[in-house]
Amino acid sequence: DIQMTQSPSTLSASVGDRVTITCRASQGINIYLAWYQQKPGKAPKLLIYGASTLQRGVPPRFSGSVSGTEFTLTISSLQPDDFATYYCQQYNSGATFGQGTKLEIK
Amino acid sequence: QVQLVQSGAEVKKPGSSVKVSCKASGGTFSTYTITWVRQAPGQGLEWMGRIIPLLGIIDYAQNFQDRVTITADKFTSTAYMELSSLRSGDTAVYFCARDPHGNYATLMDSWGQGTLVTVSS
Repeated sequence: DIQMTQSPSTLSASVGDRVTITCRASQGINIYLAWYQQKPGKAPKLLIYGASTLQRGVPPRFSGSVSGTEFTLTISSLQPDDFATYYCQQYNSGATFGQGTKLEIK
Repeated sequence: QVQLVQSGAEVKKPGSSVKVSCKASGGTFSTYTITWVRQAPGQGLEWMGRIIPLLGIIDYAQNFQDRVTITADKFTSTAYMELSSLRSGDTAVYFCARDPHGNYATLMDSWGQGTLVTVSS
């Protein structure tokens, strides 16, 4: 099974900050990596797929990148609505989620 | 825009089984991947398996291989997830979700509202 190691588990930031969340795959997954945002009591929301393709309707302050087996989600300027938990997910072979990153207000 | 509506909350005894349904409306059903994900209280997301109704392809996560059965009824546009030999650790919200592109990727864009399954004696 492919393991996804996501970091950090918690991130404290302020509105306007640039933040980065990282996910590392235990083996090569090409670019089959997605990012989701989840708010309490809600289903996750797909933000990015194919490592860097923004899902329709997602603000351009969200971006994704890849270097080898390391994937990055960047939020360029945090907005109040962005404080949530973020998950990466590989879909190269079955599916595996990262452990999640809770983005908190500093 | 597709809408996925799941069956209601369940309370089950340890050792029993639960079957959760996921009915799609407002969009094509058979050509899209339907995925099942669960989330235990305060925990992260866990992939359970997926089905592509048109192709009859079903994949299960290794952790659930011997306890989960995913099926789909193309005529009623409904997917089902049955989990057997329930234990307290299976207490979770179970979600179904559909991929956004119909290209058989295990992506999740349209989600059901979630079904809380509580396992308690």
